[in-house]
Order: sequence, then C-alpha cells, then structure tokens
Amino acid sequence: DTGVSQNPRHKITKRGQNVTFRCDPISEHNRLYWYRQTLGQGPEFLTYFQNEAQLEKSRLLSDRFSAERPKGSFSTLEIQRTEQGDSAMYLCASKPQGGKATEAFFGQGTRLTVV
Amino acid sequence: AQSVTQLDSHVSVSEGTPVLLRCNYSSSYSPSLFWYVQHPNKGLQLLLKYTSAATLVKGINGFEAEFKKSETSFHLTKPSAHMSDAAEYFCVVRFTGTASKLTFGTGTRLQVTL
Repeated sequence: DTGVSQNPRHKITKRGQNVTFRCDPISEHNRLYWYRQTLGQGPEFLTYFQNEAQLEKSRLLSDRFSAERPKGSFSTLEIQRTEQGDSAMYLCASKPQGGKATEAFFGQGTRLTVV
Repeated sequence: AQSVTQLDSHVSVSEGTPVLLRCNYSSSYSPSLFWYVQHPNKGLQLLLKYTSAATLVKGINGFEAEFKKSETSFHLTKPSAHMSDAAEYFCVVRFTGTASKLTFGTGTRLQVTL
C-alpha cells in the first residue's frame, strides 16, 4: 500500500498519560501535515513540515503537544499529560512540492480516547 | 477574514434524485477549492478540485462543482444520488499565503434514502 499510513488506528489512554502517534507519508512527498478532527467538526490544522523542518504550528498546538519529522520521512505527534479534551481523531496528510492546487493525501487517522 | 462555510449540516435525498451541497468562502484573493468525502472508518478522499482552469469542475463518482467568483461559492452537485454516496462531505479551501494548509468547512452529512 503506497498511501499515507497512521499508527495506531485507535488509542485509549488514561488522563495524564503520554501518547505518541506515527505517520508514514507517501515516500516522495516532502510536505507533511497534522490535523485534528473532533466529533461533528471538520479537521483543523495543527502543524506542518517541509522535509524535516517544522514550518508552522497552530495556536491549537499547546505546549503539551510536540511533533517531529527527524529525517524528513515519517513523523510523530506526542501529547503529554493527556486531557479529556484531547479526545479526537488525529489525521496526517502529505503532498508533494507543487502549486497550491496540488492534492493532499490523508491517512485513515488515529482515534484517541482519553478516559 | 478568510473562512469557509457549509450552509447545511445535514442533507437527505432519495436515491436517484439530485444532490446539492452548498459551500461559500470568504477571501481577498482567489483560493484553491476542494471537496473531500469521508466515509465511516475510511480516510478523507478527494472528490474534485478547482484549479482556475475551468469554473465547472468534474470529479469522481459523477460529482461536479461550479466555482462562482461573484457569489464566492463552490457548490457540489450530482444529478442522481446513489446509496453509496451517503457520507460526510467537506468543502475545503487553501487560502493564498497559508503554506498550503487546508481550511475545512464543518461538513455536510449526506443521507440517501430508498
């Protein structure tokens, strides 16, 4: 499968625990995005990488959130000291360098439930 | 302010009847416009995109959208709904100068009945 892969697909954690999600983008795509989707809402932008450089972070990304893309390939999103409000679907997308109309490809997401 | 608005949170149609999902945007510049579909337990899939080459855009599965600059709209249509079209549809905008990040509408849930 050459699409965007996200692991795990589901994660249930207790409040206060740390969690880490992984995203493997399409191999030739140098741009990688993280989005968060809460129930009944559209996805909201969290952060963006071009190769290994994190170029933009949303104000939604509090200090408890950190994202990395160490070698410009896969990316991880870590949430420290999880809160119930962090429960959401976390989506990863990748796209190649190109014009603004270039398509972004999405993974199936990681659904986080904080209990 | 730059924004995207989907006017209906829920649309219900009978199988075989036309589908209209409405989307308006607000922007000082010409953005890139997309429609994505999300089926339960599946990833977001691109239906179509506006690239400024033509105002009427054809997508997959018989969907179309027309870009109307004067109305700042990008409504999604399909002549005849099929049961498999039932899903969540997102109007998505990539605003100029936003590092290619996407801004999603709140979504429209399409229900198709027999």
